[in-house]
Amino acid sequence: DTAVSQTPKYLVTQMGNDKSIKCEQNLGHDTMYWYKQDSKKFLKIMFSYNNKELIINETVPNRFSPKSPDKAHLNLHINSLELGDSAVYFCASSQDFGTASYEQYFGPGTRLTVT
Amino acid sequence: GESVGLHLPTLSVQEGDNSIINCAYSNSASDYFIWYKQESGKGPQFIIDIRSNMDKRQGQRVTVLLNKTVKHLSLQIAATQPGDSAVYFCAENSDYKLSFGAGTTVTVRA
Repeated sequence: DTAVSQTPKYLVTQMGNDKSIKCEQNLGHDTMYWYKQDSKKFLKIMFSYNNKELIINETVPNRFSPKSPDKAHLNLHINSLELGDSAVYFCASSQDFGTASYEQYFGPGTRLTVT
Repeated sequence: GESVGLHLPTLSVQEGDNSIINCAYSNSASDYFIWYKQESGKGPQFIIDIRSNMDKRQGQRVTVLLNKTVKHLSLQIAATQPGDSAVYFCAENSDYKLSFGAGTTVTVRA
């Protein structure tokens, strides 16, 4: 009964390649997110979608393109991968957006290594 | 931009003792704060939250204290157990998004 799932868990690829990470949530939530966690464990939001609409884009390079085919899925496509893209990427979801309190549920993460 | 920070990157605590993890935030407009726990190889897991109109909230073995005057947040864990070993993050909500601090790594000694 995984609430937020991501695939793949590990991704090793070469510079210049294009790759995608998929995320699905079965919680019935309206809002989904992508975060990047660097080697120092610093966690930073990249994107947020509410009911398939982009609501937050935190100055992420346009090589990163999120896509939400429905509100249960938020995929992340990365073009022309660079060494600096190596990190752990977390998907998360929350019931709503814009309220004063909303718990975010995180997926297990995808460790991306660019060589 | 403003950010959330933690006072200490690491904390070592004896099993059975109480743990206190501190966090300083800088955005006075933040209205909601959360503590997350991240175990090795896993995603962050919600522990406890507090709204800005409160100064204390208790959960099971955990207490969060909020001091808006000095913009300080703390997480207290009672009777720390080996399973509490993890990285702990505080996060603040402002502008409809969460901003996370750098994390404190808690190691529980047997």
